[in-house]
Amino acid sequence: DGGITQSPKYLFRKEGQNVTLSCEQNLNHDAMYWYRQDPGQGLRLIYYSQIVNDFQKGDIAEGYSVSREKKESFPLTVTSAQKNPTAFYLCASSIGGYTGELFFGEGSRLTVL
Amino acid sequence: KNEVEQSPQNLTAQEGEFITINCSYSVGISALHWLQQHPGGGIVSLFMLSSGKKKHGRLIATINIQEKHSSLHITASHPRDSAVYICAVGVQEADGLTFGKGTHLIIQP
Repeated sequence: DGGITQSPKYLFRKEGQNVTLSCEQNLNHDAMYWYRQDPGQGLRLIYYSQIVNDFQKGDIAEGYSVSREKKESFPLTVTSAQKNPTAFYLCASSIGGYTGELFFGEGSRLTVL
Repeated sequence: KNEVEQSPQNLTAQEGEFITINCSYSVGISALHWLQQHPGGGIVSLFMLSSGKKKHGRLIATINIQEKHSSLHITASHPRDSAVYICAVGVQEADGLTFGKGTHLIIQP
């Protein structure tokens, strides 16, 4: 079945550590997105990519990094520079940018201890 | 930057009731999405609208471009419709989508 797979579902990190969240899609979509969700707030865009080897910062990119070496994969690294990383992270993809249907992964919940 | 307001924030209703969730935005848009988020966190796309009305099963979404307003209706609501419903709007790709805070819907049997 086609879809988006995020891993891990739950992740605990000590302060000062970098962690990488995986996002893989087999939908053959060009556009991929990373969003952060905090309680009581709307989703906020961290990074997006419309094509392999190219990505753009979103509204809250500071303390995060991404890569897009393959069409199927868009991993997100939460670095130690991210001051408040505890949140729910969602990866999404679409075939035609935001004017097309969006497909989301199940999310990754990161907790900093 | 677009501002997206959803109402109500929370809604509890009885099974079978007709449900309406509203979304208003401040800047003219190219696309509006309605999304459903289940308790486990996964999000499913319900509709993408740029004009008019769309229907899928018991769900109906409408948009009024002039009034900058969209509604999501659920007919014959069922407990399995209990979820958070999120509205998101986009103007141009470079700016990404702006998301509302969501409407938490509970349908009681």
